[in-house]
Amino acid sequence: EVQLVQSGAEVKKPGESLRISCKGSGYSFTSYWISWVRQMPGKGLEWMGNIDPSDSYTNYSPSFQGHVTISADKSISTAYLQWSSLKASDTAMYYCARRIAARGYYVMDVWGQGTTVTVSS
Amino acid sequence: EIVLTQSPGTLSLSPGERATLSCRASQSVSSSYLAWYQQKPGQAPRLLIYGASSRATGIPDRFSGSGSGTDFSLTISRLEPEDFAVYYCQLYGSSLFTFGPGTKVDIK
Repeated sequence: EVQLVQSGAEVKKPGESLRISCKGSGYSFTSYWISWVRQMPGKGLEWMGNIDPSDSYTNYSPSFQGHVTISADKSISTAYLQWSSLKASDTAMYYCARRIAARGYYVMDVWGQGTTVTVSS
Repeated sequence: EIVLTQSPGTLSLSPGERATLSCRASQSVSSSYLAWYQQKPGQAPRLLIYGASSRATGIPDRFSGSGSGTDFSLTISRLEPEDFAVYYCQLYGSSLFTFGPGTKVDIK
């Protein structure tokens, strides 16, 4: 079964750093890009960026460029999303998703269960 | 930057009724890059439709997508209780993804 399993909920203080993870299984991890998507409380979905786990090439939404870092360790089939200095406005649910690109289609076909990040003093 | 708008914001219908959701792009886009997702409370989104009109694996045939250019739609032919959820359209372009703001389909 193809799965993305994300790390557990986090509660942090403003200014702290954080890295959350997304582990793929049931497929060739390096054959598909991983996307990260933010969902703030009661709001819609926002695409943050992608990573190609085969070579760690990344691209970011302009809205998130410079605010987060996406990385991957293909040896353990895991992608990461990290912050160096959290803000209260980073409080949200974060999803990773497998991006497929086939026959001209680019979509997210498998999603992780989500990681809740709460930033509060 | 292409902006997606979805209408209506909320659609209140009864089980068995037909739902038609709209997604409009601020400029003409390739239908290959238009997808629809469903999100139920407390769950991750699920891919429903890709390429504007192709159902993803395991999606019931009561879900259908159509459209081209700037105007796309998702139709649920007969609402089942499990279909009450939020629906997002998504566009891929210039190596970036954009989501629409979503349409909530709730029980009337």
